[in-house]
Amino acid sequence: ILNVEQSPQSLHVQEGDSTNFTCSFPSSNFYALHWYRWETAKSPEALFVMTLNGDEKKKGRISATLNTKEGYSYLYIKGSQPEDSATYLCAANTGNQFYFGTGTSLTVIP
Amino acid sequence: EAQVTQNPRYLITVTGKKLTVTCSQNMNHEYMSWYRQDPGLGLRQIYYSMNVEVTDKGDVPEGYKVSRKEKRNFPLILESPSPNQTSLYFCASQQSGYNSPLHFGNGTRLTVT
Repeated sequence: ILNVEQSPQSLHVQEGDSTNFTCSFPSSNFYALHWYRWETAKSPEALFVMTLNGDEKKKGRISATLNTKEGYSYLYIKGSQPEDSATYLCAANTGNQFYFGTGTSLTVIP
Repeated sequence: EAQVTQNPRYLITVTGKKLTVTCSQNMNHEYMSWYRQDPGLGLRQIYYSMNVEVTDKGDVPEGYKVSRKEKRNFPLILESPSPNQTSLYFCASQQSGYNSPLHFGNGTRLTVT
């Protein structure tokens, strides 16, 4: 079992603030790091999949970086909007299996 | 529309009554997997399948069975459900390759009394 940790557990920010979350994972047996956005009463939706050390990916105001040597990934949201409110999950893929963190719950206050 | 379809969305049953949660995907994905979500815990993998007739245990397989007779379907079977299997379940599929994301179904909320 791989221990994937996310911090903080929850976050409240004002509209327009930028924010970031952390996902840490054991760097051995690593194949890929996934980020998902999960809104209440819906299913998780993929944001990014990263495999290489130093990877950086961006989708609109959201971006992510990956450090496989030290075992962490950051997710950044620039200029948070109320529609960004959701739980953000990361998962480490070790080949055939996926190990999820408990998520960071983001609330953006208008 | 590319999707993963799970049924039912909600299910209330009694201890010991066999049930099946169906999962079907229309994207021709090789990899499919089942997860359960419990409060305070991350999604935990129950079973996964790399292709037809190939299934393997995840981290929490006890009390569950799966089958993969066709590429598109991956049902989750609870032969004798117990209250500790009350949970939110997700099925997901993935195209081959480590760069591919998981595509999740809409979830099944199961209550075992």
